[in-house]
Amino acid sequence: DTGVSQDPRHKITKRGQNVTFRCDPISEHNRLYWYRQTLGQGPEFLTYFQNEAQLEKSRLLSDRFSAERPKGSFSTLEIQRTEQGDSAMYLCASSGLGYEQYFGPGTRLTVT
Amino acid sequence: AQSVTQLDSQVPVFEEAPVELRCNYSSSVSVYLFWYVQYPNQGLQLLLKYLSGSTLVKGINGFEAEFNKSQTSFHLRKPSVHISDTAEYFCAVSAWNTDKLIFGTGTRLQVFP
Repeated sequence: DTGVSQDPRHKITKRGQNVTFRCDPISEHNRLYWYRQTLGQGPEFLTYFQNEAQLEKSRLLSDRFSAERPKGSFSTLEIQRTEQGDSAMYLCASSGLGYEQYFGPGTRLTVT
Repeated sequence: AQSVTQLDSQVPVFEEAPVELRCNYSSSVSVYLFWYVQYPNQGLQLLLKYLSGSTLVKGINGFEAEFNKSQTSFHLRKPSVHISDTAEYFCAVSAWNTDKLIFGTGTRLQVFP
C-alpha cells in the first residue's frame, strides 16, 4: 500500500495561466475526491468520482475547473485562467469499501 | 445540509496533561463522524471514526472520541499528550447518503514541554 500520491507538490504560476494536477489513489480504491484548503480553514469538497464517473461537483467548482478520471485510475484537476484566489492547497483522497477517506500530501498552488 | 463547528481555534496544553478538542455538528439526517490530524505541510491522517454502534471510539496515538447524539457532539480526548501531538486537528462529518466530507475550521493543538 503506497498511499495516495499527488504531483506536483508545489506549483507557482502566473495569473491567467492554466495548471494541471495529478492524483494517484490507493490501488483498488474506486472512489476519488478532490478538496481545496486555504490557510486557516478546513478542506472544502470540490468533486468526487466513483470509478470514472464524476458523481458530484461542488458549487465552488467554477467553469474554470475541470476534473477527469479516465479509466477509473488516476485523476487530474485542471484550473484554467488561474486567479489569485485559486491559491490554496489542493488535496486528493481515495476510499474503497469502507467510509474512510485516505488523503494524499496535497499540491500547494501559488498564483502570482 | 451538514455543518461542523470546532469551538476552539487553538488549544495550548502542557506535555502529559489531558486534552479535549470540541466538535459540534448539525445535520437533518444520520451522519458518520471523523477526526483527522494534519501535521505541517502534510495531508490529513485519519485518527478515528464513528459509523455506528458503541458511542466511544478509540483511534490511533491514544486518542478517543465520544459520539453524543442528543448534544450533536463528537469531542476528541487524550488523557496524556506528547510534544509530538502538536498539530492541526479537524472534525468532519458525512451524511449517510453522500460520500463528501464536511470539515470544521480546525483546532491547533500546541503542546508545551
